Amino acid sequence: SQTIHQWPATLVQPVGSPLSLECTVEGTSNPNLYWYRQAAGRGLQLLFYSVGIGQISSEVPQNLSASRPQDRQFILSSKKLLLSDSGFYLCAWKSFTQGFGGYTFGSGTRLTVV
Amino acid sequence: AQSVTQLDSQVPVFEEAPVELRCNYSSSVSVYLFWYVQYPNQGLQLLLKYLSGSTLVKGINGFEAEFNKSQTSFHLRKPSVHISDTAEYFCAVSESGGYQKVTFGTGTKLQVIP
Repeated sequence: SQTIHQWPATLVQPVGSPLSLECTVEGTSNPNLYWYRQAAGRGLQLLFYSVGIGQISSEVPQNLSASRPQDRQFILSSKKLLLSDSGFYLCAWKSFTQGFGGYTFGSGTRLTVV
Repeated sequence: AQSVTQLDSQVPVFEEAPVELRCNYSSSVSVYLFWYVQYPNQGLQLLLKYLSGSTLVKGINGFEAEFNKSQTSFHLRKPSVHISDTAEYFCAVSESGGYQKVTFGTGTKLQVIP
């Protein structure tokens, strides 16, 4: 079966510290992968998407970066966190089962920058 | 460019009462439409989707939505809500061609009152 894993579930980090969030997908190959951020009252904002290994597209300029070192691995990083980076981060995989099936989301990471 | 508007940020409703969550979209091309549900501190789960065919779409947990092309709407309905339906609901739109990037609305928090 196809599943998506995301960790850690919660994270509290001081301002200026580095960040690494990981997302992996199982049961599929060459998936399209996405990182979204959900800030309170602001819905979901697409941060990055990737259609293959080493291919990263950024939707908004920001303090974050993404990498895709393996086909089913997608990493969100920052060298120095800002207070404004706090939020709920979601990894997603686009399903093409039975035609366009929408996204499958991971369980999310709650990041609090203090 | 496409956009999604969820007109209500919060909707309180008594248990066993009907509910309608409103969603309007704009796009210059044909679209696919989705409703997702998010329970606290969890990722998003697909409730239902409209790709083509019948404009009345039935989803999980007794929800349904109707695609109205002339009014560019995709409202979500349930005839009788339960406490367990308390969650945040997101409407989303994707162009049916091209890269099919998905745009999400800002969400509607459904609060079911016992």
